[in-house]
Amino acid sequence: KAGVTQTPRYLIKTRGQQVTLSCSPISGHRSVSWYQQTPGQGLQFLFEYFSETQRNKGNFPGRFSGRQFSNSRSEMNVSTLELGDSALYLCASSLVSGGGSEAFFGQGTRLTVV
Amino acid sequence: GQQVMQIPQYQHVQEGEDFTTYCNSSTTLSNIQWYKQRPGGHPVFLIQLVKSGEVKKQKRLTFQFGEAKKNSSLHITATQTTDVGTYFCAGPYSGAGSYQLTFGKGTKLSVIP
Repeated sequence: KAGVTQTPRYLIKTRGQQVTLSCSPISGHRSVSWYQQTPGQGLQFLFEYFSETQRNKGNFPGRFSGRQFSNSRSEMNVSTLELGDSALYLCASSLVSGGGSEAFFGQGTRLTVV
Repeated sequence: GQQVMQIPQYQHVQEGEDFTTYCNSSTTLSNIQWYKQRPGGHPVFLIQLVKSGEVKKQKRLTFQFGEAKKNSSLHITATQTTDVGTYFCAGPYSGAGSYQLTFGKGTKLSVIP
C-alpha cells in the first residue's frame, strides 16, 4: 500500500510569510501527527489529529496550526515565519492515536526561512 | 521538560564492534517504540515493546523493555556500515489533551569500516 506522502518536499520562504504543508496518511489511518526536527532539538511534537479533531498540541506558539479533513489528509500552517522555523517537518500516520501503535513517517518537508 | 532521555548522544564504533543505546523514562510507559533514521531520511519503525521485561530480537538487534517499564535498550551485535543512522526511542506521554508519542533525542551511530 502507498506510504505517507508529504508535499512539498522542499520549500524556501522569507521571514514574515506563511506556509502550508500537506500530509496524506496511509489509507485507513485516521491519526496524523506532526513533528518538527532540528539538529539540536531532535523530534519535537507539534500536534496530532484524529478523525478531524486535534487530540493534543505540543509546546509551540500559536503561529503553528493544523487541520485534518474528512479523508484524513492533514495540513499544517505556519504564519509569520521566523528564521528559527527552518527545520524538517515530518508527519506520521498511525492506526491508533496517542502513541498506541507504530507511526509511519513521510519523507518530510524541508523548510528554509531566509 | 524532556520526558524520555537517551544515552549516549553519539557513538562511534569500529565495524564489527557491538553498540548499545539506552532509553530512560520519567514515568511508566504502556509501550516503547524504537525507530531508525538514516542520514537524509525519515524515521522508520523498528519495533514496539509492550510487556514488562520483554526481550525481542531482529537478526543482530536485541530490544529490551525494563521490568518497571521505565527503561529500554537497543543492542546491535557486530555492527555493519548499514547500521549507520540515528536510533530513537519513543513512548506515549500524557500531554495537554491526551497521550502523544514523544521521542528521545536519539543516539547517532557512526560505524568506521
